[in-house]
Amino acid sequence: NAGVTQTPKFQVLKTGQSMTLQCAQDMNHEYMSWYRQDPGMGLRLIHYSVGAGITDQGEVPNGYNVSRSTTEDFPLRLLSAAPSQTSVYFCASSYSSADNYGYTFGSGTRLTVV
Amino acid sequence: DAKTTQPNSMESNEEEPVHLPCNHSTISGTDYIHWYRQLPSQGPEYVIHGLTSNVNNRMASLAIAEDRKSSTLILHRATLRDAAVYYCILRDRSGGGADGLTFGKGTHLIIQP
Repeated sequence: NAGVTQTPKFQVLKTGQSMTLQCAQDMNHEYMSWYRQDPGMGLRLIHYSVGAGITDQGEVPNGYNVSRSTTEDFPLRLLSAAPSQTSVYFCASSYSSADNYGYTFGSGTRLTVV
Repeated sequence: DAKTTQPNSMESNEEEPVHLPCNHSTISGTDYIHWYRQLPSQGPEYVIHGLTSNVNNRMASLAIAEDRKSSTLILHRATLRDAAVYYCILRDRSGGGADGLTFGKGTHLIIQP
């Protein structure tokens, strides 16, 4: 099983550029989410989705956009990259958003905005 | 949201048991206790979770205090591969779970060979 696959693993962007971070899962999980992790800090929730066609904002949604057209895919779009968005981004999925299910995380995308 | 308190770091020897503590004195009656770990340069990995009773799985055991104000993650025989940051997280049911996981700074576990 592939689990949660994130691409690319590394990316360098110039300020103002846009890009999409890809996330795909093959476990038929309903719940998917995006986190960012800055040095020395815990992960912070950006956006999440409880099913295809449904998305909502997390703790730090500004500057990011998401959509969920299929159960498998949950891309994260950076509309106009800023140096403050330099971070490691993790995608996670779970069978359900209920609190008694564990999350499966991808291996991350390390993004640098110059 | 109820918060957790963990030591910043702990050190243990390879092949010995490790007890990682977590205090959560403001836990509500319906909060689940989750543990995740993050190995260097990897995404977090689910370890175990529980509500009231002690739990065991292939990775670890979770011991929950009777008053639920604290819990302990037990690695029965640590290996070098267990060196990671361990996060103790409470899942707030009042939010329906859709608000995700709230990560603190966790405990940095160092394993000496």
